[in-house]
Amino acid sequence: DTEVTQTPKHLVMGMTNKKSLKCEQHMGHRAMYWYKQKAKKPPELMFVYSYEKLSINESVPSRFSPECPNSSLLNLHLHALQPEDSALYLCASSQEAVNTEAFFGQGTRLTVV
Amino acid sequence: QKEVEQNSGPLSVPEGAIASLNCTYSDRGSQSFFWYRQYSGKSPELIMSIYSNGDKEDGRFTAQLNKASQYVSLLIRDSQPSDSATYLCAVRGGGADGLTFGKGTHLIIQP
Repeated sequence: DTEVTQTPKHLVMGMTNKKSLKCEQHMGHRAMYWYKQKAKKPPELMFVYSYEKLSINESVPSRFSPECPNSSLLNLHLHALQPEDSALYLCASSQEAVNTEAFFGQGTRLTVV
Repeated sequence: QKEVEQNSGPLSVPEGAIASLNCTYSDRGSQSFFWYRQYSGKSPELIMSIYSNGDKEDGRFTAQLNKASQYVSLLIRDSQPSDSATYLCAVRGGGADGLTFGKGTHLIIQP
């Protein structure tokens, strides 16, 4: 089983709203990732959690706030977003070891209005 | 700054032929190499991983790695229209490093 589950699949939010994206995996992976993908661009790394601790933050604006409540769950809290933040948000997970594969969830298509 | 370069295409290949996709990377410390397939509006799907020099085959797919040349390739044999997609080359350093992606090659298989 290589399933990473993301909810919701689609989200429309206003610039003053607060919302959260959720990601779950049950593969025993100890590394989890958030990526952002704009149309016709490759995924761009936002955050990496390793053993539930934030290990990489790619200079992401503070309106994006990640959280890893346990080894299976990863959240991305959104507040005061801008229309340019509209994108496909992808969660991925992998073992925390060299030469291991990373698997992506289906993504959340976010539209900021 | 890690960079991964791919020809964005489109690469057009007749059905039944071999599609050849190429990728170069800048960071010599990279240890893991991946090919993902992404259909329009969908998330990336892992199709091949390769960690050591040489070839790795899985069904119709063969990945090739040459660390000295910092070069990764993907061959798709007996190409099918369902193989039409964007193919993303991705590279990772160690442990829980994130993936660095190339811009992707848009592959079109002509029936």
